[in-house]
Amino acid sequence: NAGVTQTPKFQVLKTGQSMTLQCAQDMNHEYMSWYRQDPGMGLRLIHYSVGAGITDQGEVPNGYNVSRSTTEDFPLRLLSAAPSQTSVYFCASRSGQGGYYEQYFGPGTRLTVT
Amino acid sequence: AQSVAQPEDQVNVAEGNPLTVKCTYSVSGNPYLFWYVQYPNRGLQFLLKYITGDNLVKGSYGFEAEFNKSQTSFHLKKPSALVSDSALYFCAVRVPTQLSFGAGTTVTVRA
Repeated sequence: NAGVTQTPKFQVLKTGQSMTLQCAQDMNHEYMSWYRQDPGMGLRLIHYSVGAGITDQGEVPNGYNVSRSTTEDFPLRLLSAAPSQTSVYFCASRSGQGGYYEQYFGPGTRLTVT
Repeated sequence: AQSVAQPEDQVNVAEGNPLTVKCTYSVSGNPYLFWYVQYPNRGLQFLLKYITGDNLVKGSYGFEAEFNKSQTSFHLKKPSALVSDSALYFCAVRVPTQLSFGAGTTVTVRA
């Protein structure tokens, strides 16, 4: 199993540009989520999905869109990039909707918005 | 609000000495608590979790954590630290089906 994969690893955008961060998992996990990691702030939840066709907002959803057309894929779209979105983005997945399952994280995408 | 706090930004220990990384929680009801580790330029890796039962939980790489309900704490411990344990450690709590993470503690183990 490849686990959770993310592309690209690094990206530089200009303010106002849009892009999609890709996330895929091959563990048949129902639950997937996107986090951003900023120094001194831990990980903050952006959006999550409890299954194909179902998504919901997390703590910091503004400026981001998600969709979940398949169990495997959960892309994150930046609609109009802003410098405040400079961060490291992690995708994660877990089995089931119960909060007692551990999450598996991808390697991250480091995004810089100039 | 349900959350966890990691009171120390950094922990420095010598190799071979005991390592403790502190975490306190604030939740209503029974907490589900987790520890994750992040090595440089990598994603987070699961170390251990407390759901119910024994207050002492054993996890990966020789780590363990003690759940203390009266002190609302879930400190991560390792009896003898290695240089390779140098990393960023996160405590997290279920709230209610997602995870809320602490700010992280950077552990440096010197040879």
